[in-house]
Parts: sequence; C-alpha cells; structure tokens
Amino acid sequence: EADIYQTPRYLVIGTGKKITLECSQTMGHDKMYWYQQDPGMELHLIHYSYGVNSTEKGDLSSESTVSRIRTEHFPLTLESARPSHTSQYLCASTRQGAHTEAFFGQGTRLTVV
Amino acid sequence: SQKIEQNSEALNIQEGKTATLTCNYTNYSPAYLQWYRQDPGRGPVFLLLIRENEKEKRKERLKVTFDTTLKQSLFHITASQPADSATYLCALSLGGGSQGNLIFGKGTKLSVKP
Repeated sequence: EADIYQTPRYLVIGTGKKITLECSQTMGHDKMYWYQQDPGMELHLIHYSYGVNSTEKGDLSSESTVSRIRTEHFPLTLESARPSHTSQYLCASTRQGAHTEAFFGQGTRLTVV
Repeated sequence: SQKIEQNSEALNIQEGKTATLTCNYTNYSPAYLQWYRQDPGRGPVFLLLIRENEKEKRKERLKVTFDTTLKQSLFHITASQPADSATYLCALSLGGGSQGNLIFGKGTKLSVKP
C-alpha cells in the first residue's frame, strides 16, 4: 500500500462553493501530481510540482489551483465549484529521477450539484 | 496529436488462459512505458516499467514487451485468475522538461471468469 493519502474520499457540494482536496505523502517524494479522471476515460494531468514552491499546469486545462508549501502536502483548490468540475481527482507522487513509477492515492470523487 | 490506444475497452477470458492486452501509440517517442492496474473507485497501482532499449520484462505471471518500431506494447497475464479482473492502464513516460509526467490510455477492462 502506497503512503499517499487523499481526503475526502467522496464530496458532494453545491455550485459556487470553495473546496480544497487534500493530498499528503510520507515517502519524501519531491514530485507530486494531480490527475483528473472521468468514468471510462483516461487520466489527464492537470497540475504537477517538482518540489516546494514549484507548481506547473498540466496538459488538461483546469480552473483549479494548487500549492506546494511543504514537501509532503499538495492541496488542490477550486474557488467556485461548478457541475462541470464533477469528476474523480487522483493525486500521485514519484521519487526523484527520471521515469520512475508513480504512487497514487485512493482518489476523491467530487460531485457538484 | 499524441495518441495512446488500448486494443479494446473490455476483454473477457476464462480462468487459466493467458490474457493479452495491447497498447499502441502515435506521434510520440517515449523512452519508457509503464503498466498500471486500477480497481473500481481506487487509484492506479504500478505493475511494470519497460525501457525503450528493452524488448521484454517479466514479473511473476506478468510479461511486457515493447516494440518501438511498431510503436506498440503487449501486456500478458499468464494463468489468469478471477482476482486479475481489473482495468489495466498503459502509460507513456515523458522526457525532457516534463520528465516523470505520464500520458495514460483509457485502459482495458479485463474480466476473468472461473
């Protein structure tokens, strides 16, 4: 079992609310990622970080933002949730070095009503 | 545009048989290719990684091949068991400035019947 944790596992929230999805890892990994996955579809990278104070946007445009103040913590925030944000959000981390395996959290299933 | 295709959305086989899943990609030259298993409602779990200069990699009942000429990887599960039922994802590992970022296929849902 990977030492990477996401909370909450499930979240149902009303339109316009601000939400923060939490992701923490205890493996000391420098690189962390957020992927978005709709049912039956591929994972799309929306944000990544190569270390503290480093954040980059991924291939899929997202209205969410991220921060990386501590190595182990990589939260994702939506300032104003909309139904189009309904999806599964997966956090992952990798060791330093090229092309290493990714460790994923259990995911957060977000539903915006 | 870059594209990853996994041969079918679903594959049904009988217990004990070998499952073969295909991953094809276009317009990309990955240095590495990875395979993951994903169970419903959970995050993917890493299975195997193969480098472009490796033809084949094995781990217990799993085998992966990588043909950079055909731009294809095959993933085999021998002596399949019902517990192998899951969705299997192929992922290309990016290099250069995006080192470590992964591009995923949609996955193939494998069902192994007893």
